[in-house]
Amino acid sequence: GAVVSQHPSRVICKSGTSVKIECRSLDFQATTMFWYRQFPKQSLMLMATSNEGSKATYEQGVEKDKFLINHASLTLSTLTVTSAHPEDSSFYICSARRFVEKLFFGSGTQLSVL
Amino acid sequence: SQELEQSPQSLIVQEGKNLTINCTSSKTLYGLYWYKQKYGEGLIFLMMLQKGGEEKSHEKITAKLDEKKQQSSLHITASQPSHAGIYLCGTIQGAQKLVFGQGTRLTINP
Repeated sequence: GAVVSQHPSRVICKSGTSVKIECRSLDFQATTMFWYRQFPKQSLMLMATSNEGSKATYEQGVEKDKFLINHASLTLSTLTVTSAHPEDSSFYICSARRFVEKLFFGSGTQLSVL
Repeated sequence: SQELEQSPQSLIVQEGKNLTINCTSSKTLYGLYWYKQKYGEGLIFLMMLQKGGEEKSHEKITAKLDEKKQQSSLHITASQPSHAGIYLCGTIQGAQKLVFGQGTRLTINP
């Protein structure tokens, strides 16, 4: 079964609203989670590294005030897309490391901003 | 930073044929991951290679990491429609974050 749960799987929102995406590690603790973004026919681009109990580390070019990441517990990280606009429409996916060599991914969230 | 380049970017093969996807790194690989994805869905872990010359197989999929640890290949034998999807190679940067190549889109024609 899934070891990383991501919710919601699909969300449609109006421009200007904020959307929160949750990523949970099931039956294991993840001190670090990762958030990726994917456009159609493109690869996954790492957005940020979410660290439990501390600030997230953002990749170059990713607006931290636009994409708020909170990792309040060892099993939950959230990504909030603030004041969403149509160009934020994308597929967002999270991952968490369970063992040294294995990284498990959530099922992703398709965000559509109207 | 380390970059991964996959080739080909797109591949169409007849069902039953063999195929190979390559992943080349600009620097030495200290861990190379292969994942499969259908766009709009999660990633499926296929294999992870660490040692130069290492080869792993899972069902009809075989992945190798060359001796110099700068290139990996993914080989599918007797392809089936279920093999269709996006194949991504990834490597660890900065000790923990996984970054990906641009992906190879595989289409299997019946």
